[in-house]
Amino acid sequence: SAVISQKPSRDICQRGTSLTIQCQVDSQVTMMFWYRQQPGQSLTLIATANQGSEATYESGFVIDKFPISRPNLTFSTLTVSNMSPEDSSIYLCSVAGGGQNPYNEQFFGPGTRLTVL
Amino acid sequence: AQSVTQLDSQVPVFEEAPVELRCNYSSSVSVYLFWYVQYPNQGLQLLLKYLSGSTLVKSINGFEAEFNKSQTSFHLRKPSVHISDTAEYFCAVSLNTGFQKLVFGTGTRLLVSP
Repeated sequence: SAVISQKPSRDICQRGTSLTIQCQVDSQVTMMFWYRQQPGQSLTLIATANQGSEATYESGFVIDKFPISRPNLTFSTLTVSNMSPEDSSIYLCSVAGGGQNPYNEQFFGPGTRLTVL
Repeated sequence: AQSVTQLDSQVPVFEEAPVELRCNYSSSVSVYLFWYVQYPNQGLQLLLKYLSGSTLVKSINGFEAEFNKSQTSFHLRKPSVHISDTAEYFCAVSLNTGFQKLVFGTGTRLLVSP
C-alpha cells in the first residue's frame, strides 16, 4: 500500500492568515482526496484532486477558501485561506489507485492538526 | 446520496469481553463498505472492507464484519477485545463504481478497560 506523509503535522495559526498543507506519496497514485475532521466529529470530504485537472469540491467547500494543487501523481497541496477559529480541524489526505493500489480502497495520511487562534 | 449511521458514540467494555459496534447505511445503489480505525493521535487505518462475494469479512487482528443487505447493516464484532483495541472506529461507504469518495459515520469510541 502507498505510504503517505503530510507536512506540517500540526500548526497553530492566527486568524486571517493562510496555511498550505502538503501531501506526499511514495508512489504514483491516480486520485487524491482531502478530508476535514473537526473536533469530536467524523471526516468530511473537502475535494477530490485529479492530476492535470481542477479539483472537484463538495457542497459547502469553495476553491477560494480551500485552493488545491495537484502538480503530479505523487503530490498535492491544500491551502486553508483567511483562517478563522472554525477552521480548527485535522486535515487528512487520502489516495487511491495507481500501481499496486486498488481503486476501491483509500489510504490515509497521518493528518495535519490545525489550531486557529 | 449515501449516509452512514453509527448509533453508539461510545462503547465501554472490559478486556476479553465480546463487542459489537453497529453500523447502518442508506443508499439507493450498490455500495462498498469499510471499517477504519483511528488509534489515539494517529491517522486512519483500514480495518476491513466488503466489496463483493462472501458477506463475512475478517481482519488480521480478530475483528469481523458481516454485510447484511436486507438490514442495510455492516456491524463490526470481536469475540474478545484487548486493551490495545481502544480506539475510534469509523464505518464508511462508497459507491461501487470507479473512484468514489468515502462517506463516514460519526464514529464509535471503543474503550477497553482491565
